[in-house]
Amino acid sequence: NAGVMQNPRHLVRRRGQEARLRCSPMKGHSHVYWYRQLPEEGLKFMVYLQKENIIDESGMPKERFSAEFPKEGPSILRIQQVVRGDSAAYFCASSPREDNSGNTIYFGEGSWLTVV
Amino acid sequence: DQQVKQNSPSLSVQEGRISILNCDYTNSMFDYFLWYKKYPAEGPTFLISISSIKDKNEDGRFTVFLNKSAKHLSLHIVPSQPGDSAVYFCAVSNAGGTSYGKLTFGQGTILTVHP
Repeated sequence: NAGVMQNPRHLVRRRGQEARLRCSPMKGHSHVYWYRQLPEEGLKFMVYLQKENIIDESGMPKERFSAEFPKEGPSILRIQQVVRGDSAAYFCASSPREDNSGNTIYFGEGSWLTVV
Repeated sequence: DQQVKQNSPSLSVQEGRISILNCDYTNSMFDYFLWYKKYPAEGPTFLISISSIKDKNEDGRFTVFLNKSAKHLSLHIVPSQPGDSAVYFCAVSNAGGTSYGKLTFGQGTILTVHP
């Protein structure tokens, strides 16, 4: 399976704990994006990363949220001191370094975070 | 400030008939448009896309139409099948530069195709 891999699929955290979500892009893809879907809403862009670089983090909340895409290993979305409002589905997507088909990005299955 | 709107939260269609899903956007700078399909507890799956230099793109049972003057796009599915039942999201972007892959999504339309 060469798709975008996300883990964990489901994560339960108590308020104040940290949540770490991992994403491995499709083979050959070097661009990673994180999106969040709150209940009853569409997906909202959070951050765009390339290896070792954050390109666009305009959708990231100013506090408690951070993302990285190291030279080796998966991309990590980290949420510190989680609150109930962080409960959502977090989707990772990837695209190839050179894509002649426009802005098509391919999503993983998602990580569902529940804060209790 | 919703830049992308899908005004129909749901649509119900009989198997074999045409499904038409609509999407309106506000920013004329958007120049690439996509449709994604999503089943519960899964990630969105890319369906079809169109750039602003075209007004129609077809792929099998799926056709996307773009009306730039009206800032409107639509997805036609014909014939509709029960397996098409899912949530459909339109997404738009400003291609190129650091906006690459940064999509703005509509709220989604739940399509139900009855046998």
